[in-house]
Amino acid sequence: GAGVSQTPSNKVTEKGKYVELRCDPISGHTALYWYRQSLGQGPEFLIYFQGTGAADDSGLPNDRFFAVRPEGSVSTLKIQRTERGDSAVYLCASSLNPIGPQETQYFGPGTRLLVL
Amino acid sequence: AQSVTQLDSHVSVSEGTPVLLRCNYSSSYSPSLFWYVQHPNKGLQLLLKYTSAATLVKGINGFEAEFKKSETSFHLTKPSAHMSDAAEYFCVVSDLESNYQLIWGAGTKLIIKP
Repeated sequence: GAGVSQTPSNKVTEKGKYVELRCDPISGHTALYWYRQSLGQGPEFLIYFQGTGAADDSGLPNDRFFAVRPEGSVSTLKIQRTERGDSAVYLCASSLNPIGPQETQYFGPGTRLLVL
Repeated sequence: AQSVTQLDSHVSVSEGTPVLLRCNYSSSYSPSLFWYVQHPNKGLQLLLKYTSAATLVKGINGFEAEFKKSETSFHLTKPSAHMSDAAEYFCVVSDLESNYQLIWGAGTKLIIKP
């Protein structure tokens, strides 16, 4: 079946602009995660949704970052007043059940964001 | 606090020779441990995971890893490298303290020489 998909695959924007990144999880997966991966590093957790609600948003770096999942499937990560330091690959993952020791997260290909 | 240390940023082996990617972790609870692989311009793919069952875990593409609690290690091995194994490999830990959020190592780039 279809895996996690993310759009766009690449996004170039100017400093100060607003961007939206979209994630389509695997059908039927209740949990959805956003990560950010900077060059040469492992992914860094941003936010976790269980259903429609953000169960853990402790990884969001500041209030310029916001994410929604209004119907419990597709999610959008929103970044306001982008800064050059926001340039990274933004990864989305989903899992069938709520986060736990047995759950496997399945990742999308990522959106590469470049802020000029 | 939990942490993951991947001891080598780059590992280079010849095709057909064994692969060893080293990973040490820190966890105060019974951890779950994972290895993910990331090929260029592709998504992260789960290779294998340990979740308190057998300590020797077999994964996809001939990879395996052994959980050694006394050494706090979870090294990834493969008997014979293939050119298609060239990629970035991430060791990951999660436990109750992190609310089962994944804590990632910095990655090891595996280079395969023909």
